[in-house]
Amino acid sequence: AQKVTQAQTEISVVEKEDVTLDCVYETRDTTYYLFWYKQPPSGELVFLIRRNSFDEQNEISGRYSWNFQKSTSSFNFTITASQVVDSAVYFCALSENDYKLSFGAGTTVTVRA
Amino acid sequence: ETGVTQTPRHLVMGMTNKKSLKCEQHLGHNAMYWYKQSAKKPLELMFVYSLEERVENNSVPSRFSPECPNSSHLFLHLHTLQPEDSALYLCASSQDSGAWGETQYFGPGTRLLVL
Repeated sequence: AQKVTQAQTEISVVEKEDVTLDCVYETRDTTYYLFWYKQPPSGELVFLIRRNSFDEQNEISGRYSWNFQKSTSSFNFTITASQVVDSAVYFCALSENDYKLSFGAGTTVTVRA
Repeated sequence: ETGVTQTPRHLVMGMTNKKSLKCEQHLGHNAMYWYKQSAKKPLELMFVYSLEERVENNSVPSRFSPECPNSSHLFLHLHTLQPEDSALYLCASSQDSGAWGETQYFGPGTRLLVL
């Protein structure tokens, strides 16, 4: 069964629009970690954030923000005032009780000038 | 150099060739990973090494042979591959594979095409 679901396959926006990427996860563990990675066309997965299950505070880093809701098992990611350089595939991942990461299928974001 | 580097970035090989992918991490980490990323599929974990010992071999065909001579270097030796092995091969490292929830840092990948 898929542990991480990213329901949006592709999102296309015009520059300066906000874009929110959904991530829903499934786990029976009470302690776990969630991650977001960005994969630009060059291929490298760039680490964006790690959040543990006990820290439900939302986080903001520049134009990026994350909304963690344990009640709905979601860890959504918002890019504010999107730019062309934000065009990439974004992956959400879950780590439950070891080093393994369960990745979602990814959401392709295209930002048009 | 910083982070995780991979060479070559692109590779085209025939099914009878033997080639090797190289990964090097400059982060002082103890664990290294090989992933395969095929089109339309989630990332697949192939191998994990911790302190140069293999701790995971995720049912990968024997035509893929990993080697970890030290904690900074990881190789993936390829021989008699199939066209379906064409994919992006990503290397990653983390401080320690035994620790839970470690952040993995990825290299740029090698885009492999098997003809």
